[in-house]
Amino acid sequence: QQQVKQSPQSLIVQKGGISIINCAYENTAFDYFPWYQQFPGKGPALLIAIRPDVSEKKEGRFTISFNKSAKQFSLHIMDSQPGDSATYFCAARGGYSTLTFGKGTMLLVSP
Amino acid sequence: DAGVIQSPRHEVTEMGQEVTLRCKPISGHNSLFWYRQTMMRGLELLIYFNNNVPIDDSGMPEDRFSAKMPNASFSTLKIQPSEPRDSAVYFCASRPVTDTQYFGPGTRLTVL
Repeated sequence: QQQVKQSPQSLIVQKGGISIINCAYENTAFDYFPWYQQFPGKGPALLIAIRPDVSEKKEGRFTISFNKSAKQFSLHIMDSQPGDSATYFCAARGGYSTLTFGKGTMLLVSP
Repeated sequence: DAGVIQSPRHEVTEMGQEVTLRCKPISGHNSLFWYRQTMMRGLELLIYFNNNVPIDDSGMPEDRFSAKMPNASFSTLKIQPSEPRDSAVYFCASRPVTDTQYFGPGTRLTVL
């Protein structure tokens, strides 16, 4: 019940395209859903986060869509750029506990 | 702000040796986390401290692993004795009272 399932494992998108990464969870106590971005040799860094009281949050080219009834949330990267090539992790947390991370998605944006 | 500081950045050791990884959290953060990252298992939470007190160590793989946080500005993760299967990248992260968790650059451990 603590799992966060992330898909796909890897993704190749052409420059200018839309990258979409999906996550699903079971624990209805989760109330905070961040996405982290990790470049090779670096630690994960917070990209964008959402709480379940809204269905969408947008920051620049990055958008989280949240479907509370389906217990799913997704990251959309518009106008994907080669510099977006990284590993993306979704995560979830309930209350003031620890984050449960998905397995990660390796995104490659081809020039 | 220097961010979360981890040392060493790379460690190569032989099986059976003791390994100590170090972390300095961001000043003012009251929670500290140790994670292990491998290709097979992704990011695994090993242990979580709040106000220097271990809250959840259920992720610590076995007794060979131990972690301490003697004060708010320093934590260690020790593996004794180390084994090849411990090879991974170990991350420390800290968090203030708010939601955001900040990761350090990681320590890449190789046990031969």
